[in-house]
Amino acid sequence: NAGVTQTPKFQVLKTGQSMTLQCAQDMNHEYMSWYRQDPGMGLRLIHYSVGAGITDQGEVPNGYNVSRSTTEDFPLRLLSAAPSQTSVYFCASSRDSLSYEQYFGPGTRLTVT
Amino acid sequence: AQSVTQPDIHITVSEGASLELRCNYSYGATPYLFWYVQSPGQGLQLLLKYFSGDTLVQGIKGFEAEFKRSQSSFNLRKPSVHWSDAAEYFCAVGARGTASKLTFGTGTRLQVTL
Repeated sequence: NAGVTQTPKFQVLKTGQSMTLQCAQDMNHEYMSWYRQDPGMGLRLIHYSVGAGITDQGEVPNGYNVSRSTTEDFPLRLLSAAPSQTSVYFCASSRDSLSYEQYFGPGTRLTVT
Repeated sequence: AQSVTQPDIHITVSEGASLELRCNYSYGATPYLFWYVQSPGQGLQLLLKYFSGDTLVQGIKGFEAEFKRSQSSFNLRKPSVHWSDAAEYFCAVGARGTASKLTFGTGTRLQVTL
């Protein structure tokens, strides 16, 4: 199993550009989530999904969109990037919404200039 | 809402010395508690978790943590640190009965001197 994979590893955007961060898992996990990690702030939940077709907002959802059309994939979209979205983004998955043991991807480092 | 405090931003220990990383949580009932480790440039790996039962939990890589309800704490310990333990450590809390949404602390960076 590859586990949780994320692409790209690094990305530089200009303010106002859009992009999609990809996340995929091959463990047949129902629950998937996106976090951002900023210095001195730990990880903060952006959006999460308890299964295909179901998504909800986390702590810091503004400026981000998600969808979950398949169990395997959970892309994160930035519609109009802002410098405040410069961060490291982690995707995570777990067996279901109550298993709590989450598996994290390697992260995407995003810089918005 | 739940919250987590890790009061130590940076800790330095000598290889072979014991380690204790502090974690305090705020939650109205018994929470689910976790410790994760992040090596440089990597994602997070689960070290151990507490759901219920024995308050002393064992994890991977020789780590253990003790849940103390009276102190709202879940401190991480290791009797003898190895140089490869240098990393950032995150404590996290999850609320029972909700989706697997975790609230993370701000992390403690561990440096190990030889």
